[in-house]
Amino acid sequence: DIQVTQSPSSLSASVGDRVTITCRTSLIVSNHLHWFKQRPGRAPNLLIYSISTLQSGVPSRFSGSGSGTGFSLTISSLQPEDFGTYYCQQTYSFPYTFGQGTKLEIK
Amino acid sequence: EALLVESGGGSIHPGGSLRLSCAASGFKFSDFEMNWVRQAPGKGLEWVSYIFSSGTTTYYADSVKGRFLISRDNAKNSLYLQMNNLRADDTGVYYCAREFSLLRGLDGFDIWGQGTVVTVSS
Repeated sequence: DIQVTQSPSSLSASVGDRVTITCRTSLIVSNHLHWFKQRPGRAPNLLIYSISTLQSGVPSRFSGSGSGTGFSLTISSLQPEDFGTYYCQQTYSFPYTFGQGTKLEIK
Repeated sequence: EALLVESGGGSIHPGGSLRLSCAASGFKFSDFEMNWVRQAPGKGLEWVSYIFSSGTTTYYADSVKGRFLISRDNAKNSLYLQMNNLRADDTGVYYCAREFSLLRGLDGFDIWGQGTVVTVSS
């Protein structure tokens, strides 16, 4: 199974800050690495698919990058509505696996 | 608008069975692969199962293999998860999610239902 490790597990940042969350996979996953955001009590929402493609309707302050086994999600200028938990996921091989999540709090 | 609505959750004793349903609307259901993802209380997301668009291929997480069965009825635009021999650690919110696949290997889970709650407790 491909292990997916996110860091940090939590972070607190201020409005306007640049925030980066990293994701590392135990094997190369090609471009099958995606990012989701989840608010408490809500379903996850796709932000970025295939490493760097912004999902329709997602603000352009979100971006994704990386290759091989190392990936990152960046929020260029943090907004109050960006609080929540962020997950990366690989769909390169079964079983699909998610990172453990990064809880983002707004200071 | 593409929409997924889960149903069938509830409280059940260990060893019992439940059948979850996911009703799709607003898109051509038979064109898409589908998945079940769950989330235990206060925990992260766990992928549970996958089914190909035609229903011919399925995959399961090791934690549910042999106990859960994913299926679909494309004529009814519906996805199912038959859960048998339920355990306390199966407790959580169960989401169905649409998986799209584009050219050049682009893919992702773009549509999610609101989730249905399963509680396994004696």
